[in-house]
Amino acid sequence: DAKTTQPPSMDCAEGRAANLPCNHSTISGNEYVYWYRQIHSQGPQYIIHGLKNNETNEMASLIITEDRKSSTLILPHATLRDTAVYYCIVRFGVSWGTGNQFYFGTGTSLTVIP
Amino acid sequence: DSGVTQTPKHLITATGQRVTLRCSPRSGDLSVYWYQQSLDQGLQFLIQYYNGEERAKGNILERFSAQQFPDLHSELNLSSLELGDSALYFCASSVGGVGNYEQYFGPGTRLTVT
Repeated sequence: DAKTTQPPSMDCAEGRAANLPCNHSTISGNEYVYWYRQIHSQGPQYIIHGLKNNETNEMASLIITEDRKSSTLILPHATLRDTAVYYCIVRFGVSWGTGNQFYFGTGTSLTVIP
Repeated sequence: DSGVTQTPKHLITATGQRVTLRCSPRSGDLSVYWYQQSLDQGLQFLIQYYNGEERAKGNILERFSAQQFPDLHSELNLSSLELGDSALYFCASSVGGVGNYEQYFGPGTRLTVT
């Protein structure tokens, strides 16, 4: 799996958009970008994933650059409940031999400030 | 609520003992994954099962074993416990066994070895 680089921490004012960057310069053509978050010691929560097109769902938007070497997760209106560690993961289009697991890095600790 | 259930929520036991952690996947999901999260190691993939068969192994110790039963629930067995096994253990499930499926995580079991 391609390695990702994320800032260790970020702050965001409540009600503002939170933009979380992720670098994945060694990503290959069939690797997807996934975002998860973990609130305190709860189980990681799936947010969104994409291959090369921008994606949006009810939680967030995912913007992937044209060269696919970086991406940004956007939480459009951050609330205090969005305070969490956000993980950016890139994963190969897996085969039975390699399994389907995720490799979590250290993520970005996002603090939403009132 | 992800739909993945784990029992027990908390477990306190002594060194040398054996424990069993249980996971029920989301309805319809055939794959189960086990992850370990300790303070110094982050989230680490342990093992994946798909429809009763082992599919991938990660950093799982020989003292640890798992299985997935015909009703698709899974158990993680930890034996000869050491202080360093104290961690959060998460189970996740996905509908497929290979491919770009999101995984849904349970609330975890917190294991404390004294």
